Amino acid sequence: DVKVTQSSRYLVKRTGEKVFLECVQDMDHENMFWYRQDPGLGLRLIYFSYDVKMKEKGDIPEGYSVSREKKERFSLILESASTNQTSMYLCASTPGQGAFPPQHFGDGTRLSIL
Amino acid sequence: QKEVEQNSGPLSVPEGAIASLNCTYSDRGSQSFFWYRQYSGKSPELIMFIYSNGDKEDGRFTAQLNKASQYVSLLIRDSQPSDSATYLCAGPGSSYKLIFGSGTRLLVRP
Repeated sequence: DVKVTQSSRYLVKRTGEKVFLECVQDMDHENMFWYRQDPGLGLRLIYFSYDVKMKEKGDIPEGYSVSREKKERFSLILESASTNQTSMYLCASTPGQGAFPPQHFGDGTRLSIL
Repeated sequence: QKEVEQNSGPLSVPEGAIASLNCTYSDRGSQSFFWYRQYSGKSPELIMFIYSNGDKEDGRFTAQLNKASQYVSLLIRDSQPSDSATYLCAGPGSSYKLIFGSGTRLLVRP
C-alpha cells in the first residue's frame, strides 16, 4: 500500500509567520502534489512536482512556494502566513509511468492562521 | 479548460438501497476516471478507478464509464450508513494532474 505521510494533522500559526508543511511518500513516486480544500471550493491544486527540484505552478500558487530536494519529500512553504490561508492542506503522490495512475493522499493538515 | 462536474447533493437513500452517483466531463478524449470517498474532516480515499468504456465491479461498488455520453457513474449496492460521505469524481488533466469534481454528499438513512 502507498503511504503518504504529512508531518502534522493540526497546526496553528500566527499571521506573518513562515510555515512549513512536510509530506513524505514511501513508494518512489515521481509526482507529488499539494492541494488545499475549502468548503464550497473543492480541491484546488497549489503546486505540482514531477521530479527532484522540478516544480510546476497549479491553480492557486500565490503566497506559496515548494521545495523538493529528495524524491520522497515535498514541502509546502507559506512565505508569510495570512488568515486567508487557513485551510485543509492535502499532499498526494503518483508514479510517473503507465496509464494515468490514481493519486494517493496523505491524512491532511488542518492549518489555522490566527 | 477540462472540467468535471458533479451534483453536490445531498443524495439520500435508505439502507440497503442502491446509491447512484454521477459525474460528467468535458474532454472527449479522457478515459481514466477515479472515485474517491471522503469522510468529514478526513482526506480523500481512492475506492475505484476505470480506464475503459463499460463497467468495472469491485465488491459492492461498480464504476461505469460512458464515453459517448461523457459521464461516469459510481453505483453502491446494499448501501450502509457507513457509506455516508462525500464522493469525489476525478478525471485526467495534463501531466498526471487530476481534475476533481466538487463532490456529491451521500446520506444513507438507517
